[in-house]
Amino acid sequence: DARVTQTPRDKVTEMGQEVTMRCQPILGHNTVFWYRQTMKQGLELLAYFRNRAPLDDSGMPKDRFSAEMPDATLATLKIQPSEPRDSAVYFCASGPGGGGSNTGELFFGEGSRLTVL
Amino acid sequence: SQQGEEDPQALSIQEGENATMNCSYKTSINNLQWYRQNSGRGLVHLILIRSNEREKHSGRLRVTLDTSKKSSSLLITASRAADTASYFCATGPILTGGGNKLTFGTGTQLKVEL
Repeated sequence: DARVTQTPRDKVTEMGQEVTMRCQPILGHNTVFWYRQTMKQGLELLAYFRNRAPLDDSGMPKDRFSAEMPDATLATLKIQPSEPRDSAVYFCASGPGGGGSNTGELFFGEGSRLTVL
Repeated sequence: SQQGEEDPQALSIQEGENATMNCSYKTSINNLQWYRQNSGRGLVHLILIRSNEREKHSGRLRVTLDTSKKSSSLLITASRAADTASYFCATGPILTGGGNKLTFGTGTQLKVEL
């Protein structure tokens, strides 16, 4: 059963610490998205990749956030230094991309809940 | 800002009743998608309707799209307690090479009571 896997599921850290969230997209999917969900802002798109290349990271605070895809099976989202306002649930999603029968549907992981004290 | 806005924000119904959620969006679309999110879980794709379609069915789900009004509705018939979740509409441009850059609405929290 193909699924997007995210780690950690929960992370509590102190302000100023580095946080790294990892995502394993579904094998064969060539688009990967990072979203952040908060009660106040809802779901916000932070960054996305196609074939491992970053296409748009305009949704991310550049000074502290970075997103990479070291290889096709791993996407990372790093926050350094973390701040209390970064507390949220971070979701990774992947999609098959491509044309033809592609529907544009996204497959989401279960999320990483981050709490910055 | 959110591309889609769902209405109502919250909805509480009895099991067996129908639930209708509405979504309004701002720009022209290629397709519109609906997702469900159970508490503490990730989003799950429910259904996609293309801009040239007016209505689509999938099991107990019925989606309508009115591009002239930039609105869509999701109807869940004969609701069950297991339908309790948040429901989001999502739209976005088609990316070069396929796929959508999706922006999600604010969501409707549906509670189905026994």
